[in-house]
Amino acid sequence: AQSVTQLGSHVSVSEGALVLLRCNYSSSVPPYLFWYVQYPNQGLQLLLKYTTGATLVKGINGFEAEFKKSETSFHLTKPSAHMSDAAEYFCAVSDLGFGNEKLTFGTGTRLTIIP
Amino acid sequence: DAGVIQSPRHEVTEMGQEVTLRCKPISGHNSLFWYRQTMMRGLELLIYFNNNVPIDDSGMPEDRFSAKMPNASFSTLKIQPSEPRDSAVYFCASSPTGDSQPQHFGDGTRLSIL
Repeated sequence: AQSVTQLGSHVSVSEGALVLLRCNYSSSVPPYLFWYVQYPNQGLQLLLKYTTGATLVKGINGFEAEFKKSETSFHLTKPSAHMSDAAEYFCAVSDLGFGNEKLTFGTGTRLTIIP
Repeated sequence: DAGVIQSPRHEVTEMGQEVTLRCKPISGHNSLFWYRQTMMRGLELLIYFNNNVPIDDSGMPEDRFSAKMPNASFSTLKIQPSEPRDSAVYFCASSPTGDSQPQHFGDGTRLSIL
């Protein structure tokens, strides 16, 4: 089974600073990888996903993530943090196999933006 | 387009009562998922359906929990009898068939068992 590790349950950055949220996965083959964001009292929303092809994936709200097979990582970045980015972020991996749509989620990272 | 619709948004009930949570997936999505989110345990997959058939219910906590999907546009998660430790936010999500398809989440039902 796949697994995902998110380093840092809480991250604080100043407004305008670089955002870096870390995600490492375990898999014997390249998986499909996702980042979701959850705002208070809402469900999870897809930020971006990696399936195949280009390893640098761009998502909504200025976020991007790079798939690094050698490091089994899929870290999420944003060059300049905005107050509206304060939320909880989840990395997820898809179990492979036709017809298997399950996602395994990390434990989440709460991002706080300091004015 | 309408997203995943869950009802009720909030439910407060007494221990021992039956609780029914409802979900309407996005039209055309073949897979439906029920999750539970708590501070202690994070986001847990309870059960998922594909084409209305339960595929994996290994996350269902115990026999007090049951889920049904009588048709492609409706699913229920039932807890009977409810206990205080069932208090959590329950999410429903749906997706098209395929392992690279993202899941679309509803806004959840916040359940409090007194």
